[in-house]
Amino acid sequence: AQSVSQHNHHVILSEAASLELGCNYSYGGTVNLFWYVQYPGQHLQLLLKYFSGDPLVKGIKGFEAEFIKSKFSFNLRKPSVQWSDTAEYFCAVNAGSGYSTLTFGKGTMLLVSP
Amino acid sequence: DGGITQSPKYLFRKEGQNVTLSCEQNLNHDAMYWYRQDPGQGLRLIYYSQIVNDFQKGDIAEGYSVSREKKESFPLTVTSAQKNPTAFYLCASSIRGGGHTGELFFGEGSRLTVL
Repeated sequence: AQSVSQHNHHVILSEAASLELGCNYSYGGTVNLFWYVQYPGQHLQLLLKYFSGDPLVKGIKGFEAEFIKSKFSFNLRKPSVQWSDTAEYFCAVNAGSGYSTLTFGKGTMLLVSP
Repeated sequence: DGGITQSPKYLFRKEGQNVTLSCEQNLNHDAMYWYRQDPGQGLRLIYYSQIVNDFQKGDIAEGYSVSREKKESFPLTVTSAQKNPTAFYLCASSIRGGGHTGELFFGEGSRLTVL
């Protein structure tokens, strides 16, 4: 079974600061990787996903993530955060072959101060 | 507008009572899921259904039951056997059940409080 570890439970940044949220997964085979975001009072929505190909994937709102297979990592980055990026961020993984449900990390709450 | 509708948004229940949370989708998705979200715990899978009339237990199925009689609907019953039912419940769907590589689409959630 797969598992996901997110390193930081809470992150506080000032506007224009750079963001990197850590995500490591545990699974021996090929994987699909996702980042979801939950803005205050809104439903969870997909930020970006990796299935195969270029390990650097770009998502909505200027976010990107890099899949590093040797490190079992899929860290989320943004060069310059905005107040509107305040939200909870979840990393998720499922097996890349066969049927597999998504396993989520515990989430990272990001607070961006104006 | 296509999407997932969960109801009720807020629900209060007395200990010992069963309660059913509704989840309806009009996305024509085959697969549906129920997750539970607790602070600091992330999302944990309760039950999922890849196709009508079939469902499987997730990681924390004890004290819960589901049915999938229609493609559009996947209600979750929180029974009195669930020891810690106060939580935020999220319903989701995906296009396919088997060989799942697609994203999940989520409803807005139902917050259950047991008094």
